[in-house]
Amino acid sequence: KAGVTQTPRYLIKTRGQQVTLSCSPISGHRSVSWYQQTPGQGLQFLFEYFSETQRNKGNFPGRFSGRQFSNSRSEMNVSTLELGDSALYLCASSLAEGGHGYTFGSGTRLTVV
Amino acid sequence: EDQVTQSPEALRLQEGESSSLNCSYTVSGLRGLFWYRQDPGKGPEFLFTLYSAGEEKEKERLKATLTKKESFLHITAPKPEDSATYLCAVQTSNTGNQFYFGTGTSLTVIP
Repeated sequence: KAGVTQTPRYLIKTRGQQVTLSCSPISGHRSVSWYQQTPGQGLQFLFEYFSETQRNKGNFPGRFSGRQFSNSRSEMNVSTLELGDSALYLCASSLAEGGHGYTFGSGTRLTVV
Repeated sequence: EDQVTQSPEALRLQEGESSSLNCSYTVSGLRGLFWYRQDPGKGPEFLFTLYSAGEEKEKERLKATLTKKESFLHITAPKPEDSATYLCAVQTSNTGNQFYFGTGTSLTVIP
């Protein structure tokens, strides 16, 4: 059974650029959530999507956005990158809305220079 | 404000030396408390979910317990392969099912 797949694994971008990260959930999982992980703040919730609708959003600026497609795959976009956006971005999928039984991907390591 | 605090930040144990990790929380409307294990370069791996005070769950050398204010992850006779960062997360009913994570305890088990 394939797990949660995140691409790319590593990314280096320049300040001011934008970036799109991709997440393919476990087959049959309809809920996808995104988290940002940094050494000082730990994992912080970005947003949750279920059936192509954003169900919940964390306390991040509008530069962070996401979407979910009909096949449950999800993308998140960060525009006008800042140095502080450097982090590990984790995607998690679950069968039902609400995150019970989260399975996480291995993440995308974003470095902004 | 909802808050999750894990202690200690780092723990070094000799192989076979049992210990406990702590996760204290201040939240309204707790729906569940979750423990995850994270290895370097990987995403968190689910370990346990606890829903109510007094509940306990076990898996191999790990045992998680829950009270109204905190949870403990007890590690009995740890092995080097138990070395990882252990994360605690709470899910609350008043924030749209959002998860709040602690910053983790980095466990190193020395052979």
